[in-house]
Amino acid sequence: SQTIHQWPATLVQPVGSPLSLECTVEGTSNPNLYWYRQAAGRGLQLLFYSVGIGQISSEVPQNLSASRPQDRQFILSSKKLLLSDSGFYLCAWSVGTSGRALDEQFFGPGTRLTVL
Amino acid sequence: GIQVEQSPPDLILQEGANSTLRCNFSDSVNNLQWFHQNPWGQLINLFYIPSGTKQNGRLSATTVATERYSLLYISSSQTTDSGVYFCAVEGIEGTALIFGKGTTLSVSS
Repeated sequence: SQTIHQWPATLVQPVGSPLSLECTVEGTSNPNLYWYRQAAGRGLQLLFYSVGIGQISSEVPQNLSASRPQDRQFILSSKKLLLSDSGFYLCAWSVGTSGRALDEQFFGPGTRLTVL
Repeated sequence: GIQVEQSPPDLILQEGANSTLRCNFSDSVNNLQWFHQNPWGQLINLFYIPSGTKQNGRLSATTVATERYSLLYISSSQTTDSGVYFCAVEGIEGTALIFGKGTTLSVSS
């Protein structure tokens, strides 16, 4: 069966520091991968999605970037964190079907980021 | 882009009560999912239901794609049902899920 992992689970970082969040998926190949952010008390917003290694699409211009160095690994990064980057970051995967979210998406446990 | 509206925003129930959560969307969709977010933030898949009706234990869902809405039914609610319920859709030309703002359910014993 497929599983999705995220780490770290929680993170407290000072403003201006770098960020690296990692997501890995097991038990499937060529998945579509997604990064979402949930601000406090709000719904989820898509940040990035990837249909293959090195292929990243951004939905919202911001202080963050994403990379996919391996088929089942998705990384969210920032060079300098802002206060507004605080939130709950969720990684998700779906079966890779021509880059469209036609199939069911499954979410990881999330990383809670606090920027002070 | 496609708009997703969920109602009610908040719902308070006594254990054993039934409830109906609604999700309206503004355009045709290829994908519709219902999630339950537990107190730890984990999004749990409830239903993948772009159309039709499905049931899983005390929960069931119906999507009427032609009328652009979906309903989530919770019967005989339990305290463990508490949390936020999200509806998310994917439009015909889109690439990822668009989430509603959720319904916060509180079930007391």
